[in-house]
Amino acid sequence: EDQVTQSPEALRLQEGESSSLNCSYTVSGLRGLFWYRQDPGKGPEFLFTLYSAGEEKEKERLKATLTKKESFLHITAPKPEDSATYLCAVQAGDMRFGAGTRLTVKP
Amino acid sequence: EAGVTQFPSHSVIEKGQTVTLRCDPISGHDNLYWYRRVMGKEIKFLLHFVKESKQDESGMPNNRFLAERTGGTYSTLKVQPAELEDSGVYFCASSQARAAEQYFGPGTRLTVT
Repeated sequence: EDQVTQSPEALRLQEGESSSLNCSYTVSGLRGLFWYRQDPGKGPEFLFTLYSAGEEKEKERLKATLTKKESFLHITAPKPEDSATYLCAVQAGDMRFGAGTRLTVKP
Repeated sequence: EAGVTQFPSHSVIEKGQTVTLRCDPISGHDNLYWYRRVMGKEIKFLLHFVKESKQDESGMPNNRFLAERTGGTYSTLKVQPAELEDSGVYFCASSQARAAEQYFGPGTRLTVT
C-alpha cells in the first residue's frame, strides 16, 4: 500500500537556524512528489513539484530534493514568517498526503 | 487570476440533515479534486473530475456522498444524510493536468452535531 511519512511531527527553530524536513514514501509508479505549505485556517499552498530522483527545486529560503525513497525540504536561515505546517504529497494514482511537519520559528 | 473558491467557509448541521458544499476551480482547469481532513488525520483524497466526468471516486466514503460537476465548471459535494463522522474540513483543488500541481481552496469546515 502507498505510504507517505513525514518527520519530525513538529520542529521548533530559532530564527536563522537552518534545518531539514523529511518525507519518506513507498509508492508504485511515482508521477510526482509535491510540497505544500499550510497556514492555520487556510488551504495548502503549492511550493514545489519534483518528478525524478536527483531533482532539486529552490524558492527563497526553501530547497526541495528527491531520492527514490524520500524527499527533503531544506530551510536555510528561517524567519518567523516561515512558521507553518509543511505537507508532502505523492501522486501515483490519486494524491496521497503525509500528516505534515508543524514548523515554528522563534525570533 | 482568481484562485479556487469554496462556499460556505463553515457549516454546522445536525445529524441526519443535508449539506451541499460548492467549489469553483481556477478558470481553465479541467481537473477538479475533492479532499477531506478529519481531525488529527492527514488530508485524504475523495474524488477527481476531468471536466464533467468522474475520473476516480475511489476515496468517497459511502453512498451518502454525491459529487457533481455540471458543465465542467463548478462542483458540488452533497452529504445526505450527514453523520457525526462526516465532520472535518473539505478541500477542493484544481489543476491544468493530471500530474501537475494542484491549487487548493480555503476549505469548508463541516461540523455535524
